[in-house]
Amino acid sequence: EVQLLESGGGLVQPGGSLRLSCTASGFSFRNYAMTWVRQAPGKGLEWVSGIGGSGGSTSYADSVRGRFTISRDNSKNTLYLQMNSLTAEDTAVYHCASREPAAGLAFYYWGQGTPVTVSS
Amino acid sequence: DIVLTQSPATLSLSPGERATLSCRASQSVSSYLAWYQQKPGQAPRLLIYDTSNRATGIPARFSGSGSGTDFTLTISSLEPEDFAVYYCQQRSNWPITFGQGTRLEIK
Repeated sequence: EVQLLESGGGLVQPGGSLRLSCTASGFSFRNYAMTWVRQAPGKGLEWVSGIGGSGGSTSYADSVRGRFTISRDNSKNTLYLQMNSLTAEDTAVYHCASREPAAGLAFYYWGQGTPVTVSS
Repeated sequence: DIVLTQSPATLSLSPGERATLSCRASQSVSSYLAWYQQKPGQAPRLLIYDTSNRATGIPARFSGSGSGTDFTLTISSLEPEDFAVYYCQQRSNWPITFGQGTRLEIK
């Protein structure tokens, strides 16, 4: 059974930092591009960042570029999102998702998400 | 960025009825459009990828169509479990973008 389990969310002050983790199981993690998607309270889905299977290719939404860094450790089957200089606009539930090559690189498997609240 | 506009924002229907959800792109996304379903407190679930391909395990009552800038998700006969929020998403151009969602509610 495929599982994606996010962790690391919490309450942080404006200007602070958090590191999110997403631990994968049940599939060959290193062979899949991964992504982070966030959802602000009561709002829709927003793509945040993506990374290739080897970790060599990364991409970011304009809203987070320069502040967030995506990375992965394939030996630990874990995806990361380092978030710096956080603002209230970053408050959201952060989901990781795998991109399925056999499904048009759509976001096939999703974690339940980890909540991030930026507030003083 | 490619803007995806979904309509209607809210759709009120009864079980057994047909639902038609629309997604319009600000420029062509070719066939690189997906649909997701999200229920309260749950992660999104992939329904349709590349316009018209059902993901594994998705019932045949869900179908997708369209090309270029205009896309449709159709649910042929609504089941009680289909009432949820639906999002379209394009991967034609960076950044990947989502529509704002259509809420399908019980009438």
